[in-house]
Amino acid sequence: DAGVIQSPRHEVTEMGQEVTLRCKPISGHDYLFWYRQTMMRGLELLIYFNNNVPIDDSGMPEDRFSAKMPNASFSTLKIQPSEPRDSAVYFCASSTTTRTDTQYFGPGTRLTVL
Amino acid sequence: GQQLNQSPQSMFIQEGEDVSMNCTSSSIFNTWLWYKQDPGEGPVLLIALYKAGELTSNGRLTAQFGITRKDSFLNISASIPSDVGIYFCAGPPGNAGGTSYGKLTFGQGTILTVHP
Repeated sequence: DAGVIQSPRHEVTEMGQEVTLRCKPISGHDYLFWYRQTMMRGLELLIYFNNNVPIDDSGMPEDRFSAKMPNASFSTLKIQPSEPRDSAVYFCASSTTTRTDTQYFGPGTRLTVL
Repeated sequence: GQQLNQSPQSMFIQEGEDVSMNCTSSSIFNTWLWYKQDPGEGPVLLIALYKAGELTSNGRLTAQFGITRKDSFLNISASIPSDVGIYFCAGPPGNAGGTSYGKLTFGQGTILTVHP
């Protein structure tokens, strides 16, 4: 049974460039979560979707960050323009409606902005 | 916002020893989750606890949901080198509702090092 799939696993880009991170949730899961992990702040929830609809984006740091979920099996997190302080590991997680508190994480995308 | 305090922050143990770590909160939680994160990987769910007082095992791992709903502990028996990693507790605060439904709060993590 496939888990949450994220791509790319590593991304190195220059300041000012657009970055797009991708996520495929576990099939049948209708909640999708985007997290960011840094040494200073730990794991932070950025945004989450239910049935492809954004429910809470209060964790999105700035307007430079945007997320979409065009269908049940795909979501993107976009940063435009990227800045060095965006360097972090970005995780996608998914869960079912009956157990939104039990979330399964993908392997993450390590983003480095130079 | 809600905070989870994990202790200890780090542990250095010998292979074969038992390990105990815990997580406390000033607020009640409805669910306690324990995750393990290996270097370069995402957190992997180890144990989920849904009821106060619940004691659940997963192989050499045992976790309990505190009766007060404000704490949980995780024990690892007979540690092995592959137990190395960061262990996180997490859960949705007890008063989570509306758009907070499903939002998890994470502890700072316990870094476990096992010497062969």
